[in-house]
Amino acid sequence: DAKTTQPTSMDCAEGRAANLPCNHSTISGNEYVYWYRQIHSQGPQYIIHGLKNNETNEMASLIITEDRKSSTLILPHATLRDTAVYYCIVPSSSSNDYKLSFGAGTTVTVRA
Amino acid sequence: DAGITQSPRHKVTETGTPVTLRCHQTENHRYMYWYRQDPGHGLRLIHYSYGVKDTDKGEVSDGYSVSRSKTEDFLLTLESATSSQTSVYFCAISPTTGVGYTFGSGTRLTVV
Repeated sequence: DAKTTQPTSMDCAEGRAANLPCNHSTISGNEYVYWYRQIHSQGPQYIIHGLKNNETNEMASLIITEDRKSSTLILPHATLRDTAVYYCIVPSSSSNDYKLSFGAGTTVTVRA
Repeated sequence: DAGITQSPRHKVTETGTPVTLRCHQTENHRYMYWYRQDPGHGLRLIHYSYGVKDTDKGEVSDGYSVSRSKTEDFLLTLESATSSQTSVYFCAISPTTGVGYTFGSGTRLTVV
């Protein structure tokens, strides 16, 4: 997998936007960026993914830079339930089976 | 999680005994995965399956075997459990490569 770099932790105020950065400078042209999160003791949950264009769904927005070397996950109005570990993943496109490798992620704490 | 069930949810076993964990899906997805999660190591892929009777190793496959005799079930077997295999085990499914995974709720295994 292309290596990703995320901050170890960050705090966010409830009701404010949370902007989670991710660097993936070795990403290849056809590799997607995926975001997952894991709330304590639960299985990881898919959030969003993208290739080149910005993406938005009911959970979050994904902003990918034009050179694709970094991206930002935006939680528009963070709630206490958004406290979790957030993983930015770029699975390798070198095989036909996209296996996700999870790094340490960013521990996000939303404070009241 | 909807469509994917892991059993048992908790298990305590003795060193040297065989253990089988089951992942069952009702989504008819082609791909199934087994991960383990340990403090300080994050999620690590053990084995995965890309179809009935088609399986391959992940990054931490030693001491584990898998079987998939039908689409809906993916079994993980510890042939002779060791204390180092004490962990939380997650199963995941996906319909195709490069698409978001759905994870199960996990199995907490303790080997004493």
